[in-house]
Parts: sequence; C-alpha cells; structure tokens
Amino acid sequence: DQQVKQNSPSLSVQEGRISILNCDYTNSMFDYFLWYKKYPAEGPTFLISISSIKDKNEDGRFTVFLNKSAKHLSLHIVPSQPGDSAVYFCAASDGGATNKLIFGTGTLLAVQP
Amino acid sequence: EPEVTQTPSHQVTQMGQEVILRCVPISNHLYFYWYRQILGQKVEFLVSFYNNEISEKSEIFDDQFSVERPDGSNFTLKIRSTKLEDSAMYFCASTEDRGRRSPLHFGNGTRLTVT
Repeated sequence: DQQVKQNSPSLSVQEGRISILNCDYTNSMFDYFLWYKKYPAEGPTFLISISSIKDKNEDGRFTVFLNKSAKHLSLHIVPSQPGDSAVYFCAASDGGATNKLIFGTGTLLAVQP
Repeated sequence: EPEVTQTPSHQVTQMGQEVILRCVPISNHLYFYWYRQILGQKVEFLVSFYNNEISEKSEIFDDQFSVERPDGSNFTLKIRSTKLEDSAMYFCASTEDRGRRSPLHFGNGTRLTVT
C-alpha cells in the first residue's frame, strides 16, 4: 500500500543547476506534506513543508510545489550544492490526532562538483 | 541545537531474544514516536506516544512490541521475542506538539540486526 510514491530512486545533477525531486500521493485525506533529508548514519532532518491550502512554499534555496488535482508535489533546490547530496524523503500527514507521517521510499540526490 | 539521542547505535541479537532500544527525546517535547526502515525500503510508522500512553500504532506494532517512558527523559521500544524480519533501522522522533508547525525531530537511529 504505497500511499506516497517517489518514482525516481536516484537523481544526479551538476553543482549550480536545479534539482527537482518528485513525489506522488494517492490518499486525498492528506493535507500536509513535508520533505526530509537524510545523510548516511543519521536520522531524517526536516527540510520544508507545505499545507494543502497552498500551492507553493519557499525557504531559501528550497521550494516545494503542490498540485492537489494531480496529487503531486515537487521539491526544487536551486542552486544545487555538493552538500545537498543525500536521500530526500517526501512525507504526508492526514491531520489525524497524532501527526503520524507516511513516507515515500526516498530519492538519492547526487550533486556533482 | 537540542537533539534526539538514541542508544545503542547498533544492536546485534539472536532470534527469540528480547531487545530494548533507548531514546532520549528533546527535553521540552511531549509527543514521541518510533519509526523503522528496513534496508532499502521506506521509513514506516510504528507507534506514537503521548501523556504516558500509546495514541496510535500501526499494524506492524503487534503484541511483540511495547513502549515505555520509564522516567522523565527516556523513551524505550521493547521487542519481546525478535524475529529475523525485525532487522531494521529504528528511529525515535519527538515533537513539541502535534500541530503542523512542529515537525518531527529524529534521532540517528539504532541498527538492529537479528541473526
């Protein structure tokens, strides 16, 4: 039951270029979406989030776009830096009492110097 | 910056043995969680805990699992009789409140290997 899907297991971009990571979801009850970054041997670290009432949220080099009709969100990183190389997880919440997150399988981003 | 601390970083145990994974959440946080990630798979929710009781658990969290906050700082996950398929990375997380402006903070995880 993959309610949150990240169809690209990996992505490679050149330093300075834009990285676009994609995520699709199936559960229409999801109303809050987050991106987490994970380095090897570390836990996921919160990056950016978006509520379903918005279609864009920006924080520095990171922008998340939400297309509710397509049940699709994307994370844009511009410009990409070598330190951005990590696994990026998309996660969703349905507004339940516990703030439980449903994660995607992750995309490994490699930013080449 | 305050962080969630997990011990041990790696635990090896034999099938059928009990294990306890330990976590120290961020001190002013009130909501606590356990997630796990089997190698190569997604991060999965196990259980959430608030006010000294389980508030939600997944179907993975069966009778072999239990959680406890034995004192004011520790939060533990116990697996009573480990199975091979319990081998995974276990992440503890905490948050100040369950509101949307309070994202989960994760620890660095405990790698559990069941042989």
